Amino acid sequence: AAGVIQSPRHLIKEKRETATLKCYPIPRHDTVYWYQQGPGQDPQFLISFYEKMQSDKGSIPDRFSAQQFSDYHSELNMSSLELGDSALYFCASSSQGGLTDTQYFGPGTRLTVL
Amino acid sequence: AQTVTQSQPEMSVQEAETVTLSCTYDTSESDYYLFWYKQPPSRQMILVIRQEAYKQQNATENRFSVNFQKAAKSFSLKISDSQLGDAAMYFCAYRSGAEEATDSWGKLQFGAGTQVVVTP
Repeated sequence: AAGVIQSPRHLIKEKRETATLKCYPIPRHDTVYWYQQGPGQDPQFLISFYEKMQSDKGSIPDRFSAQQFSDYHSELNMSSLELGDSALYFCASSSQGGLTDTQYFGPGTRLTVL
Repeated sequence: AQTVTQSQPEMSVQEAETVTLSCTYDTSESDYYLFWYKQPPSRQMILVIRQEAYKQQNATENRFSVNFQKAAKSFSLKISDSQLGDAAMYFCAYRSGAEEATDSWGKLQFGAGTQVVVTP
């Protein structure tokens, strides 16, 4: 079965640079979630989209922005990167607006900021 | 806001034995879902089991089963016949249901996790 695809899998950036993470949900899933997992921590919710509209927002820095496109893939844009942004970034997808369906996670993008 | 508590940072179990992971949560909602996710060394988040709060019957998936005590707000995971491949970090997670998701829209709230170590 098709799973959630994230690219790139690994990304190394310098401080103050910009990064773009991409997420391709499971086919026919209409909802995408982004989570950030720091070292030794549990995943923290950043933002979600349902039918290309932002549906919820967590503790996402103003330096980050995201959107969902017409083909339902989503991109997380991160600017003015800081050392503390180094983390594993997960994308998850679900159907039915995520209100009744299970979220399935992608393999994550490991971002390292030097 | 909901909180999820996993009080066991690490649990050790021998192969073929049974281990139980605890999870408690705090909520004023009546419609919600509970999950256990497994994160092996690959860091992939893998769904283990899901429980709807309106269902009294405890969910079961092969060797994995839960003990859902709604009144006590407890949601423990039992791993039977433990295998080396079960070694991972296990996260308990909470999600509001459709009737309650006026401002949460399905986001997951995770506990701190329990590391399961399986010894031969």
